[in-house]
Amino acid sequence: KAGVTQTPRYLIKTRGQQVTLSCSPISGHRSVSWYQQTPGQGLQFLFEYFSETQRNKGNFPGRFSGRQFSNSRSEMNVSTLELGDSALYLCASSIGTGKHGYTFGSGTRLTVV
Amino acid sequence: DQQVKQNSPSLSVQEGRISILNCDYTNSMFDYFLWYKKYPAEGPTFLISISSIKDKNEDGRFTVFLNKSAKHLSLHIVPSQPGDSAVYFCAANRSGGNKLVFGAGTILRVKS
Repeated sequence: KAGVTQTPRYLIKTRGQQVTLSCSPISGHRSVSWYQQTPGQGLQFLFEYFSETQRNKGNFPGRFSGRQFSNSRSEMNVSTLELGDSALYLCASSIGTGKHGYTFGSGTRLTVV
Repeated sequence: DQQVKQNSPSLSVQEGRISILNCDYTNSMFDYFLWYKKYPAEGPTFLISISSIKDKNEDGRFTVFLNKSAKHLSLHIVPSQPGDSAVYFCAANRSGGNKLVFGAGTILRVKS
């Protein structure tokens, strides 16, 4: 069974640009969550989508947005990139309840220069 | 406001001995706790979880203990193996919740 697939694995962008990251969940999983990992900060919750609807959102500025498609694939977008947005962005999928069913992808390493 | 805290950034243990990783939380609404393990360049992988109705859950070499009154949980790894060297994250969730709140992680190094 294929795992959670995130593309691209690595990305270098310039300040002010925008970026789109993609996540394909495990087949049958309808919930997709996004997390940002920075050194010393652990994983910070960005948002969660279920059946194309955003169910929960973390404390990130409006420059961070996401969406989910009918096939459960999800994208997150960051506009007007700042140096502090450099991080590992992780996507996790679950069937829907969230209890122990989170499976993470390998992440997208974003570097803003 | 850090609702889940892992106060030890790193831990070094000899192979074969016990590794104890600690985690504290502040939100009494949390009722489900998970431990994840993460290697560099990979996503976190689920290790073990515990519901607030229990105080212990065991899976092979891994045991998680929950002390609700102290809002504290710990992960015990016995015996520790070099392959256990990784970053360990504690996470918490609440009933009906659909997001995990993570601690900052503890780097475990198991020396052979």
